[in-house]
Amino acid sequence: AQSVTQLDSQVPVFEEAPVELRCNYSSSVSVYLFWYVQYPNQGLQLLLKYLSGSTLVKGINGFEAEFNKSQTSFHLRKPSVHISDTAEYFCAVSRANAGGTSYGKLTFGQGTILTVHP
Amino acid sequence: NAGVTQTPKFRVLKTGQSMTLLCAQDMNHEYMYWYRQDPGMGLRLIHYSVGEGTTAKGEVPDGYNVSRLKKQNFLLGLESAAPSQTSVYFCASSYSWGRGGRPGELFFGEGSRLTVL
Repeated sequence: AQSVTQLDSQVPVFEEAPVELRCNYSSSVSVYLFWYVQYPNQGLQLLLKYLSGSTLVKGINGFEAEFNKSQTSFHLRKPSVHISDTAEYFCAVSRANAGGTSYGKLTFGQGTILTVHP
Repeated sequence: NAGVTQTPKFRVLKTGQSMTLLCAQDMNHEYMYWYRQDPGMGLRLIHYSVGEGTTAKGEVPDGYNVSRLKKQNFLLGLESAAPSQTSVYFCASSYSWGRGGRPGELFFGEGSRLTVL
């Protein structure tokens, strides 16, 4: 089984400041890693994902994340945030299985609420 | 193109009442999922389906039943609601990986907020 821990439940920042949202995972098998974003009163949207290859992945809205296998981490970063980035962010993991018994099921972390202040 | 649509969006129940949440997707996705979202706990998988006529248990299936009689619909039922089932419920869908789908690309509905008194 996999588990995901998001180390910060809330992160307040000022507009145009950099931000890092931390995510650690635990798994006995290879995994795929994801970040989703949830804007107020909406469903979740995929921000970015790591499947294989380069450990630095870029997503939408200027976000990027780095996969660190030795530290079992997948931290999300943005060099300069905007008010519109205010949302809840979820880190998620699934087994790196080509379909098999994982069926695309995701295990989510607890979520990090990012609040960007003017 | 509506994507994933959930009905109803809000519902208040009394303990012991039953109800059904409906999820409909128009993307011809094979896989469908029901998650519940609770503060500080993220999303937890209740049940999922890998095709029409199939269902399987997720992480927190107790107290819920599901059915997928048509490929585009996935129903979540509560036979006897309990206050512990007060939550926001999200339906999601995706292509199967063997048919061009990409891992982790789930498409979510906007959620159904259920309160059980």
